[in-house]
Amino acid sequence: DQQVKQNSPSLSVQEGRISILNCDYTNSMFDYFLWYKKYPAEGPTFLISISSIKDKNEDGRFTVFLNKSAKHLSLHIVPSQPGDSAVYFCAANQGGGADGLTFGKGTHLIIQP
Amino acid sequence: NAGVTQTPKFRILKIGQSMTLQCAQDMNHNYMYWYRQDPGMGLKLIYYSVGAGITDKGEVPNGYNVSRSTTEDFPLRLELAAPSQTSVYFCASSGNRVGQFFGPGTRLTVL
Repeated sequence: DQQVKQNSPSLSVQEGRISILNCDYTNSMFDYFLWYKKYPAEGPTFLISISSIKDKNEDGRFTVFLNKSAKHLSLHIVPSQPGDSAVYFCAANQGGGADGLTFGKGTHLIIQP
Repeated sequence: NAGVTQTPKFRILKIGQSMTLQCAQDMNHNYMYWYRQDPGMGLKLIYYSVGAGITDKGEVPNGYNVSRSTTEDFPLRLELAAPSQTSVYFCASSGNRVGQFFGPGTRLTVL
């Protein structure tokens, strides 16, 4: 049973436009959420995170929004650049982080020139 | 800093063989993790460690063993390899909850 769901396997966005990647979760005990970016043949790279006490966190072109009542979070990338083409994983954690992350299946973002 | 390093990068095993995947980190992180990623899937936690001498099972531990004798190293042992263990294996480390740092992965094929 998937506790973190990314329902869009792929997303194509034009360069310069906004990319919005979505993630839903079912476990109400999750209190920390992270986005990772992954290029082929490399390990995932941490991108941005948000605690459940916040509803928004911003870092440069990347913003993560959290809607706890809907158990939904989204990653906004503005403006989208060719180097943003990668697989994006949503991940979640509960109660301190020591026992690892629960990942979604990922969304392959393709930035079109 | 090299970050998290993993060896080997690729390996082909025959059914029933054993091997150890090596993982080392030079960031003095207490927490270390092993994940596997199957095609089209997210990463799944195999084992984790909160410090030297302490390990615990994750979501998919069957067929694997780990040890943590030092802060730096966290090897993953596969005994009696099976085709179901064909996957990409990622090691990660963390000093806090901000995020885990991942190694480049080991691609394992069991034939």
